[in-house]
Amino acid sequence: DGGITQSPKYLFRKEGQNVTLSCEQNLNHDAMYWYRQDPGQGLRLIYYSQIVNDFQKGDIAEGYSVSREKKESFPLTVTSAQKNPTAFYLCASSSFSSPLHFGNGTRLTVT
Amino acid sequence: KNQVEQSPQSLIILEGKNCTLQCNYTVSPFSNLRWYKQDTGRGPVSLTIMTFSENTKSNGRYTATLDADTKQSSLHITASQLSDSASYICVVSAHQGDYKLSFGAGTTVTVRA
Repeated sequence: DGGITQSPKYLFRKEGQNVTLSCEQNLNHDAMYWYRQDPGQGLRLIYYSQIVNDFQKGDIAEGYSVSREKKESFPLTVTSAQKNPTAFYLCASSSFSSPLHFGNGTRLTVT
Repeated sequence: KNQVEQSPQSLIILEGKNCTLQCNYTVSPFSNLRWYKQDTGRGPVSLTIMTFSENTKSNGRYTATLDADTKQSSLHITASQLSDSASYICVVSAHQGDYKLSFGAGTTVTVRA
């Protein structure tokens, strides 16, 4: 069953700590994305990667970092520099013939 | 700035009734418009994708329309079911690549028995 797996579903961290969100896909998609979703707002693009070992900043990249060492994996690190990290984070993937397909998200709470 | 505005912000309907959600956009150039359904605590799932030349597309009880001249789209839900309770998100693409998407804030639909 092809899809995107995000883990964990819920994540709690103390302020000042870095945290890494996992995203794995078995759809054989070339492109992967990270979005942030806040109440009452549209999804905002954090980072995207169109091929392995390459990634680009999205609209709100400050305080985040990513890596793309494998086609299947695109982890997101929320650093202590991110001023308001509490949010719902969505990973997605796509290919030329397949539109954006989302994972089920990770809800991060930082206190 | 490319924008996507959805209305209403939320609505409540009785099971079995129909409803229509609106999406207005200013995105330019235009490649395609998509509607997604997002259940609470889950990721969005694609319902329809329409290009410039398409003005109607259906997916079961969901029918999307597009007027590219007025930059308006609607999503019509027929004979609503409790499982239709969700947020519906309008997404407009300005480019072939999915890295140039503009997302609406969504319309939350609650279906009551």
